[in-house]
Amino acid sequence: EIVLTQSPATLSLSPGERATLSCRASQTVTNYLVWYQQRPGQAPRVLIYDASSRATGIPARFSGSGSGTDFTLTISSLEPEDFAVYYCQQRSDWLWTFGQGTKVEIK
Amino acid sequence: QVHLVQSGAEVKKPGASVKVSCKASGYTFMNYYIHWVRQAPGQGLEWMGIISPAGGNTYYAQKFQGRVTMTSDTSTSTVDMELSSLRSEDTAVYYCARENLSKSDFWGQGTLVTVSS
Repeated sequence: EIVLTQSPATLSLSPGERATLSCRASQTVTNYLVWYQQRPGQAPRVLIYDASSRATGIPARFSGSGSGTDFTLTISSLEPEDFAVYYCQQRSDWLWTFGQGTKVEIK
Repeated sequence: QVHLVQSGAEVKKPGASVKVSCKASGYTFMNYYIHWVRQAPGQGLEWMGIISPAGGNTYYAQKFQGRVTMTSDTSTSTVDMELSSLRSEDTAVYYCARENLSKSDFWGQGTLVTVSS
């Protein structure tokens, strides 16, 4: 089973700052790497799929990069609604695994 | 418009079973896999398994094998997830999620299952 490790666990930033979130896989995941955002009390919503493609309706300030085992989610300039928890996820055969999440909190 | 509507909250005693339903609408039910994901209070997302609504094929996370059963009913566009031998650690919000090309593009609203004596 592929293990996804996200870092940091918590990111304390101010609105307008740039956020850089990391997701590292225990083995190569091809490009089936997805990023989700989860706000309190809500279901996750997809931001980025195939490592770097933005999902429908997702603002351009969200971008994804990486390949192989190292992936990054970047939020270029944090808006108030971006303070949330972010998860990476990969698919291998039929199986999904999630990272443990990174919380982006207001500094 | 795609919707996944889940059944309501449940309270169960340890050792009991729970069945959570996920009714799909707004798309061709048989064309998309459904995943189940749970989230314990204050914790991260945990994948439980996947079902192909068309043929009923399933694949469960090793952690839940022997305790979880996922079924689909094409006549009602509904997928059910049953978890047995409940323990307090199974207290969580359970989500169904539609897979679209290796990502989940639609999620149910979540069902809180509380296991308490």
